[in-house]
Amino acid sequence: DQQVKQNSPSLSVQEGRISILNCDYTNSMFDYFLWYKKYPAEGPTFLISISSIKDKNEDGRFTVFLNKSAKHLSLHIVPSQPGDSAVYFCAASPNTGNQFYFGTGTSLTVIP
Amino acid sequence: ETGVTQSPTHLIKTRGQQVTLRCSSQSGHNTVSWYQQALGQGPQFIFQYYREEENGRGNFPPRFSGLQFPNYSSELNVNALELDDSALYLCASSLGPSSYNEQFFGPGTRLTVL
Repeated sequence: DQQVKQNSPSLSVQEGRISILNCDYTNSMFDYFLWYKKYPAEGPTFLISISSIKDKNEDGRFTVFLNKSAKHLSLHIVPSQPGDSAVYFCAASPNTGNQFYFGTGTSLTVIP
Repeated sequence: ETGVTQSPTHLIKTRGQQVTLRCSSQSGHNTVSWYQQALGQGPQFIFQYYREEENGRGNFPPRFSGLQFPNYSSELNVNALELDDSALYLCASSLGPSSYNEQFFGPGTRLTVL
């Protein structure tokens, strides 16, 4: 049972435009959410996180939005750059425990 | 500061065999988590080791086992390999077991079971 879902396997965006990656979850016990970026032949690297007590967190060009009532989070990248081309995973953790549940990933291509 | 390393990079085994994968954690990190990433899927949590003890386990059978050593490096052992065990195995180290500690991932070991 997939508790974290990324329904868009791929996304293409022009350089300089906004990239919006979406993630949905089903478990209401999740209270901490992260986005990871993964380049080929490398492990995922942490990008940005958000706690359930917030609905927005920004870090430079990256902003994560959390809508708890809809069990939905999104990652906005503005402006998108070719170096942002990678696979993006969202992950969630419950308030009890140390386990992360990952989505299936969205492959972002930023076209120069 | 050395990052997380994993060995080997690639491995081919046959059904029924046993395999050991290795992970060296980042300096100062006492926690290692292991994940299985099947093709087209996201990483799935196998288990976590904290100060040489298993500290949480995902939905994986007992033939998946692990160890953590005093230097906090770790091994993942899989017995009686099945075709479905073919995947990328990732380890991640962190300063502590809490979800709030950032996990640093290694590049993974690609296991193919024939």
